[in-house]
Amino acid sequence: AQKITQTQPGMFVQEKEAVTLDCTYDTSDQSYGLFWYKQPSSGEMIFLIYQGSYDEQNATEGRYSLNFQKARKSANLVISASQLGDSAMYFCAMRANQAGTALIFGKGTTLSVSS
Amino acid sequence: DTGVSQNPRHKITKRGQNVTFRCDPISEHNRLYWYRQTLGQGPEFLTYFQNEAQLEKSRLLSDRFSAERPKGSFSTLEIQRTEQGDSAMYLCASSPRTGNNEQFFGPGTRLTVL
Repeated sequence: AQKITQTQPGMFVQEKEAVTLDCTYDTSDQSYGLFWYKQPSSGEMIFLIYQGSYDEQNATEGRYSLNFQKARKSANLVISASQLGDSAMYFCAMRANQAGTALIFGKGTTLSVSS
Repeated sequence: DTGVSQNPRHKITKRGQNVTFRCDPISEHNRLYWYRQTLGQGPEFLTYFQNEAQLEKSRLLSDRFSAERPKGSFSTLEIQRTEQGDSAMYLCASSPRTGNNEQFFGPGTRLTVL
């Protein structure tokens, strides 16, 4: 069975600093996708970044990058130059081998950015 | 605004009542998903449609839960005989026919069962 583990319940960072949010996953599939979502206090889930299991390069989207280490089954999110608006809950998620199937989410990490 | 919309945003009901939530996906998306999120947890998958076909419903929490997408556009999620344990945020997401299955979420419906 697939599983996502996020071991950091909360992280604190100062503005303009970089922060890494940890995510490990478990799957027996060879083909899978990994996602990160942001959930502000308003509740809406916002898609941030995607990494395919066969992608050789780490995914990047603006200030977000995904540190993908396949052998270690980790997919950590790196946020560079943190901003106050980054304060939110962050979820790592995985889909199984077929597109169109459900996402399996971790329990999330709360990020607090201070000035 | 062309994002996923959900109605109502909040629903308070008494135990034993039936409730129905509506989701309107992004118009060109043929895939639609329902998730439930309880406090302090990540979203938990409930069911999935491709066009009007419900391709996965084994994760619906009990036979009190049902979902429809009659014309392949909007979807409804119904909970019959609500229980206090049904109190949660119900999220709807949609994704396009092609791509990596990035799912775009609506704002959710928060259900409180008294």
